[in-house]
Order: sequence, then structure tokens, then C-alpha cells
Amino acid sequence: GIQVEQSPPDLILQEGANSTLRCNFSDSVNNLQWFHQNPWGQLINLFYIPSGTKQNGRLSATTVATERYSLLYISSSQTTDSGVYFCAVEPGIQGAQKLVFGQGTRLTINP
Amino acid sequence: NAGVMQNPRHLVRRRGQEARLRCSPMKGHSHVYWYRQLPEEGLKFMVYLQKENIIDESGMPKERFSAEFPKEGPSILRIQQVVRGDSAAYFCASSPLPGGYEQYFGPGTRLTVT
Repeated sequence: GIQVEQSPPDLILQEGANSTLRCNFSDSVNNLQWFHQNPWGQLINLFYIPSGTKQNGRLSATTVATERYSLLYISSSQTTDSGVYFCAVEPGIQGAQKLVFGQGTRLTINP
Repeated sequence: NAGVMQNPRHLVRRRGQEARLRCSPMKGHSHVYWYRQLPEEGLKFMVYLQKENIIDESGMPKERFSAEFPKEGPSILRIQQVVRGDSAAYFCASSPLPGGYEQYFGPGTRLTVT
């Protein structure tokens, strides 16, 4: 099946820093989503981005489907950005509606 | 438009009991997905249902687990005779259509087996 790899696995930054999280996938996809799981365990939809670039406040994401990767940018980090960031893809195989998740990037923002 | 609702948010069961987890999809969504997150792990797909049909249950354990999405009412994930290894967060998601559409996730049910 499709493989989803996220890097780095852990990232520790000071408040105000910028960061780039990467998601590589091994095959074509119909869907790609980024999520933030906060320290209370809630899973928050950040972006639905099977291709192209989107921005939402301090966060933006770019997916280059032909090269099988996606990037999540966080600018001017705040302590509330801490948590685990997951990338998830829906394989391009017909009938495979399930999302396959990467192992996540654990982001810690220190004050 | 209310989001995906899950209840209960926290559930404690003793070994051998049954656990029932409920999921109400977003209004207008007829496609429901269940995912499980074991401690310190990522999320894994369990089952995909449409109204009254199980479409893909390739991620469901073969025994003790079942899911349904009746014509009326929420989707139910049932775990019979729970064991400690079933302790996890169970997330439900819904989408308006299958295949390439965004999945919207609920807040999850955290199951603890004592």
C-alpha cells in the first residue's frame, strides 16, 4: 500500500520562529489533508490540499502532486501551535476512500 | 452547520464488557469513516460505511469489532468483550461524497479498558 513519511519527527522551536514540515508519499493520491492534534487530543482540520497552495493566517501549505510531497509552513510560531501535525492521503486507487496517515511531526514551541 | 458529533467523549469499560461508540456525521454527509489511534501512534483506518452498507472494513479486527450506519440515527462502532489493548482514541469522520473529498473529523471517543 501507499507509504506516507513525515519529517522531521520532532521539532523544538522558540516562540516567533518559522517552521516547515514535510510529507512525502509513495504513489498518486486523490486527497491530501493536514491536521493538528492539540495536547488535549483533538484533531483539527488544517488544510484539504490535493494540489496547489493554500494559506490560512500564519499557516500555509503546498502540495506538488507530480513530485509526491506536501509542505506545511508555520510562521511566527505561538505556544498554542504545539502538538502533533499529521499528513493524511487518500490513495489514487479507485475505491480506496480511506485516509492513510503519516506518523506525525511533534512540534514544541517554547515561550 | 454542526460538525461531526461523537459520544461519549470518554468511556471506561472493564475487561469483558461491551463498548458502543456513536458518531453523527455532518448534515448532508452520508459517508462515515472510523479510525483508531493507539497510544503514541498515528491514526489507522478501520471501516468505511454508507447508509445501511459497509463499503470497506479492511482495517477492522476480525473478531469482537462491528460497525453499522442505519438508515436513521448515528453510526455505531461496537466492541464486544473489550481487552486492555482496545484502549485507544476512536475518531469518526464524514464526507459528502466518496473519492477525493475532504473528510471532516469528530472530537473522538477515548476508550479506557481497566
